[in-house]
Amino acid sequence: QITLKESGPTLVKPTQTLTLTCTFSGFSLRTSGVGVGWIRQPPGKALEWLALIYWDDDKWYRPSLKSRLTITKDTSKNQVVLTMTNMDPVDTGTYYCAHRLSGGGWGFDYWGQGTLVTVSS
Amino acid sequence: SYELTQPPSVSVSPGQTASITCSGDKLGDKYACWYQQKPGQSPVLVIYQDTKRPSGIPERFSGSNSGNTATLTISGTQAMDEAEYYCQAWDSNTAVFGGGTKLTVL
Repeated sequence: QITLKESGPTLVKPTQTLTLTCTFSGFSLRTSGVGVGWIRQPPGKALEWLALIYWDDDKWYRPSLKSRLTITKDTSKNQVVLTMTNMDPVDTGTYYCAHRLSGGGWGFDYWGQGTLVTVSS
Repeated sequence: SYELTQPPSVSVSPGQTASITCSGDKLGDKYACWYQQKPGQSPVLVIYQDTKRPSGIPERFSGSNSGNTATLTISGTQAMDEAEYYCQAWDSNTAVFGGGTKLTVL
């Protein structure tokens, strides 16, 4: 079955760079049509999509955060890494990674458990 | 940037039908998805491609999308359906989420 799990620091200081890793199983990012995305959720607030990478290394970013985000994949390790630069307290929240299939209105059908990141000095 | 608007809250009595709307410019020209999120849990996809249910999602969940509005309908609402619901659409390969609707079953 498909599983995803996020890992990374729970606390980062303002201006630092956040690096999160999504380790998955049950599918491969070598398979045509497969993608992995990152979505975050500030405490008590709505879901906010951040970035998405596909099997063909096509990458998409939230326009307002594009300058701060980088998404990469390591197919040999079944991992997707998200980096976010210049962290600010407003970036505090739970960060999820999720699986989707490209095209045709597919949603994010499998989600990780999420990892809470707090930005504070 | 593209925006999706949901009502902050909807209330329904057990056994009745709940409808949650999601509005966006020409949303009917895009595909809509819906997610259910219970406190402390990850979101769960309940509707994709406007009307389709993933495996394991009860038949009481249905969706529609036309014009500027997508709608999630829960028929015979149960107490276990109390949760936050988010709509989501794709705009030029970027995902957009609505602000969420808290469904209360009372």
